[in-house]
Amino acid sequence: SQQGEEDPQALSIQEGENATMNCSYKTSINNLQWYRQNSGRGLVHLILIRSNEREKHSGRLRVTLDTSKKSSSLLITASRAADTASYFCATDASATGRRALTFGSGTRLQVQP
Amino acid sequence: DGGITQSPKYLFRKEGQNVTLSCEQNLNHDAMYWYRQDPGQGLRLIYYSQIVNDFQKGDIAEGYSVSREKKESFPLTVTSAQKNPTAFYLCASRQGQGSQPQHFGDGTRLSIL
Repeated sequence: SQQGEEDPQALSIQEGENATMNCSYKTSINNLQWYRQNSGRGLVHLILIRSNEREKHSGRLRVTLDTSKKSSSLLITASRAADTASYFCATDASATGRRALTFGSGTRLQVQP
Repeated sequence: DGGITQSPKYLFRKEGQNVTLSCEQNLNHDAMYWYRQDPGQGLRLIYYSQIVNDFQKGDIAEGYSVSREKKESFPLTVTSAQKNPTAFYLCASRQGQGSQPQHFGDGTRLSIL
């Protein structure tokens, strides 16, 4: 099952601009995580936000979580060409008995130099 | 240097053949996971294991089998019953459960001859 749906599916911006990706999910969660995937590679963990947190920062990344709307957003500020990748949200819903993350369908980000 | 090693990087399967994908981790993680990724799509969970000698089916287990005889190793067999095996397969591990990120290998790309 694909719990997370990401929006937009693809995003193209110029270097220096900000990129915002959104994720919606369906069930109650313990936490939500964002991952990055370069083409043909594995996923790399970026940031985790717990269900009792509303906002978290890490370097140029800012993540928000709205559990009432079951949605999250990832903001990448001052983007660089090296940020070009696919970005996935993943929900951890172990309270439901599911002992594995559920991944969204991803946003493909292209940063033009 | 700790991490997850998947091999081979590319694999070709003939009709009616079973093939096994290797996943080894030296992170001393208890939990390991197998995902399938189709082009332009998110990750779908095939099988996961939270402890040695125990594993559970994920969302798309049909046509696949796994074993977990050692903590470090979680091989995936794609059987001939899997009629559409062409995909990118990703292995991941995590320490415990809950608020821990998953660490990924660099994947195996499986194609049909």
